[in-house]
Amino acid sequence: QVQLVQSGAEVKKPGASVSVSCKASGYTFTDYYMHWVRQTPGQGLEWMGYIKSDTGVTKYAVNFQGRVTMTRDTSTSTAYMELSRLKSDDTAVYYCARGHDVLTGYYALPPPDPWGQGTLVTVSS
Amino acid sequence: SYVLTQPPSVSMAPGQTARLTCGGHNIGDKSVHWYQQKPGQAPVLVVYDDSDRPSGIPDRFSGSNSGDTATLTIIRVEAGDEADYFCQVWDTNNDRYVFGTGTKVTVL
Repeated sequence: QVQLVQSGAEVKKPGASVSVSCKASGYTFTDYYMHWVRQTPGQGLEWMGYIKSDTGVTKYAVNFQGRVTMTRDTSTSTAYMELSRLKSDDTAVYYCARGHDVLTGYYALPPPDPWGQGTLVTVSS
Repeated sequence: SYVLTQPPSVSMAPGQTARLTCGGHNIGDKSVHWYQQKPGQAPVLVVYDDSDRPSGIPDRFSGSNSGDTATLTIIRVEAGDEADYFCQVWDTNNDRYVFGTGTKVTVL
C-alpha cells in the first residue's frame, strides 16, 4: 500500500533552517506530485507547495516563496522540504502528501492523499 | 483570497446524524474535498469531488455542494467518528489549496 514516512521531530533556533524528508513506498515515486502542508494551532492547515516528482519542477505558495525549497531524490523515492530563516510562528507539524499523477492535467488539482505521519518542527530560542 | 468557513464544533449522541458545513463564495462552482483528522494523526480523505468516497470509507459519509455551502453528512454517528473535519478546495484564481478552519465533532 502507499506509504509516506517522514523524518523525526526537530528543534531549531530562530534564523536557522530545517529539512524534512518524506520517503515514499508502494507506488512509482516519479509518477506523482508531492505536496507539503503544515498545520499550526493558529493558522490551521496551510499548503506550502508541490514538486513534480519526475522533473523536479516546483510550485510554492506565495507565503513561502523565497524561504522554502522542495527537492527530491528519485533513487531513494524521497522528497525533501527545506524551510529557511525560521521564526517562532513556523512552529508546526509539517506533512508531505501524495498529489495527482504527472501525466494528467487538471484545471483544479485533486486533493492530496495519502499523507505522511507528520514532523513536528519547534522553533525556539 | 478565497476563504472557507466552518463552525468550530458540533456534538451529537451516537446514532444521530452530523451535518458539517463549509461556507465559501460560490463554493458550488468548485470541487470540495473533506478530511478527517483524529488526535495525533494525519488527515485522511473521506470525501472528494463534493460527494465521492475513497475506497475504504464507509457509506455513512456523504457530501453535497451547492450555492455558498458544502456539507459533509455523517449518518449513524459512532464514537470512532470523533475527530476534526476540514474542507478543502483548489483556489483556481490563486493556484493554491485552501483549507477550512475545521470542525471538531464530539460524540456524547
